[in-house]
Amino acid sequence: QVQLVQSGAEVKKPGASVKVSCKTSGFTFTSYGISWVRQAPGQGLEWMGWISGYNGDTNYAQKVQGRVTMTTDTSTNTAYMELRSLRSDDTAVYYCARDLSGYSYFDSWGQGSLVTVSS
Amino acid sequence: AIRMTQSPSSFSASTGDRVTITCRASQGISNYLAWYQQKPGKAPKLLIYGASSLQSGVPSRFSGSGSGTDFTLTISCLQSEDFATYYCQQYYSYLYTFGQGTKLEIK
Repeated sequence: QVQLVQSGAEVKKPGASVKVSCKTSGFTFTSYGISWVRQAPGQGLEWMGWISGYNGDTNYAQKVQGRVTMTTDTSTNTAYMELRSLRSDDTAVYYCARDLSGYSYFDSWGQGSLVTVSS
Repeated sequence: AIRMTQSPSSFSASTGDRVTITCRASQGISNYLAWYQQKPGKAPKLLIYGASSLQSGVPSRFSGSGSGTDFTLTISCLQSEDFATYYCQQYYSYLYTFGQGTKLEIK
């Protein structure tokens, strides 16, 4: 069955970077993309960006453009999201989600990774 | 970016009720709309895609309709497990956006 398993919780200081992983199984990684969605405490869902599992093409939301880098490792079917220059308002649960094409919906999600930014 | 506006933001209902949640797009998005259900502490779950197609395994009491700018999610007969927060998402643009969410609470 389709599975997306994310890395664990992280605590970071303001200005630091965090890299969250999303290891996938149960489907052909290179036939799909992965989107990253975050949710601040008590808030709604915010799409951050998408990466193609086929060729690594990316689309990023304007809000995080310049601070985020999404990558993949097709040898391990794993996607990564790195966010730099962390601020307190980056504190959120970060989800990866399977995305067919970059113009699609999210049919499977990871369990979420809590990133806390605090001095 | 395309803005998605849901209404209401929250409301209370009883088991057995028929409820409708509305999502409006700031520009036409054809039928490139999905609905998700999220329970506290859990990842969202896909309910509807293509505005009206039911995701496999989702109960038939959930239905979606609409095209262009106005969309609805209907739950025909509320069950206890349906009390959750619901989000719409447009994928007409590659810069995806979500609605702000509708929290459905028990009356």
